[in-house]
Amino acid sequence: GAGVSQSPSNKVTEKGKDVELRCDPISGHTALYWYRQSLGQGLEFLIYFQGNSAPDKSGLPSDRFSAERTGGSVSTLTIQRTQQEDSAVYLCASSLEVGSNYGYTFGSGTRLTVV
Amino acid sequence: SQKIEQNSEALNIQEGKTATLTCNYTNYSPAYLQWYRQDPGRGPVFLLLIRENEKEKRKERLKVTFDTTLKQSLFHITASQPADSATYLCAFRSGGSYIPTFGRGTSLIVHP
Repeated sequence: GAGVSQSPSNKVTEKGKDVELRCDPISGHTALYWYRQSLGQGLEFLIYFQGNSAPDKSGLPSDRFSAERTGGSVSTLTIQRTQQEDSAVYLCASSLEVGSNYGYTFGSGTRLTVV
Repeated sequence: SQKIEQNSEALNIQEGKTATLTCNYTNYSPAYLQWYRQDPGRGPVFLLLIRENEKEKRKERLKVTFDTTLKQSLFHITASQPADSATYLCAFRSGGSYIPTFGRGTSLIVHP
């Protein structure tokens, strides 16, 4: 597509429920990144993919968080047993390759609210 | 670990003036740094990238400088317009990492 698409744009969930966030990157972009942004905070790196593999999962806050990417395209970020501190905007970005010198293209994010 | 510092206070300027935003970093020498613009409810939009061996980069009304001695980058918007009002983020990537570290951003408000 023309840009990075994320869905849903907003998600309200009850504490303890599982959620899935979806990211559809720009066609041909091999690198895909997940960040989250809390109010007044900077972008916190979560995980990146080069193709279908995730060389760096060090940013995932806990084992409740997982992500996968299939077919070198769409990625899903799953949060199990959501907690209130998981509330944030989850941003996905893609680039031609990891370490690209041409910047990232971000989606508009999924605003997750855990009540 | 890498720390990125941007002024947390909003920058208020008058239309037509030059806005200058600062980004300071610590520790590792960056391979490059990027500047992004973020509007409320939207994801960041890439503006400019400058490499460690470049001192200055320009794009239309935007100019980025890079001082590896001061460990600082300056981002300038000349002839600022109210439409330039947004939050501006800087991000550094060091040579040993594929992942840039983002600052918290500085809010720019341009008054007509």
